[in-house]
Amino acid sequence: AQSVTQLDSQVPVFEEAPVELRCNYSSSVSVYLFWYVQYPNQGLQLLLKYLSGSTLVKGINGFEAEFNKSQTSFHLRKPSVHISDTAEYFCAVSENRGSTLGRLYFGRGTQLTVWP
Amino acid sequence: DGGITQSPKYLFRKEGQNVTLSCEQNLNHDAMYWYRQDPGQGLRLIYYSQIVNDFQKGDIAEGYSVSREKKESFPLTVTSAQKNPTAFYLCASSPGLAKGETQYFGPGTRLLVL
Repeated sequence: AQSVTQLDSQVPVFEEAPVELRCNYSSSVSVYLFWYVQYPNQGLQLLLKYLSGSTLVKGINGFEAEFNKSQTSFHLRKPSVHISDTAEYFCAVSENRGSTLGRLYFGRGTQLTVWP
Repeated sequence: DGGITQSPKYLFRKEGQNVTLSCEQNLNHDAMYWYRQDPGQGLRLIYYSQIVNDFQKGDIAEGYSVSREKKESFPLTVTSAQKNPTAFYLCASSPGLAKGETQYFGPGTRLLVL
């Protein structure tokens, strides 16, 4: 089964500092990659996704992520965070296999806390 | 406004009781999903449905049941066989069956055991 690893369960940073949230996956086939954000007691909202083409993907709220096939990684970055970015972030992977359903495999999440 | 609604927001279950969580979408999506979220464990797939009157077990289906009688509705029943039901339950939908489709999530239902 597909495995998604988010290496940091918690990332504390100060406001206006850069941040990187790390994500690695285990699949040997081609994949589609997603980052979702969850604010407290809410559902998940798509930040960005990689399907094909340029390996640098830009998303909402100033976030971007880079797909690295050789390292099987899809790290999320933001050059300057705001207190409102405090949330839990989930990396998810969908495999490009024969199955007709593109089910998502989620990592365990990274809690980003931005301090003033 | 198009979207996914889940109700109730909070649900309390007594021992031995079955409870049903509602999920409705007006996005005209074919596929729907139920996930369970526990602290530090990410999201785990309970059941999914690709089309009306068809559904498949996910990774943790034991103690749960679903139905898909209408395209817009995918209710989840937590049965008394689920011994540890306390969790946050998320419903999602996606437009079609193509790989790489974005899943759209509802606001969730938090289930607590009395």
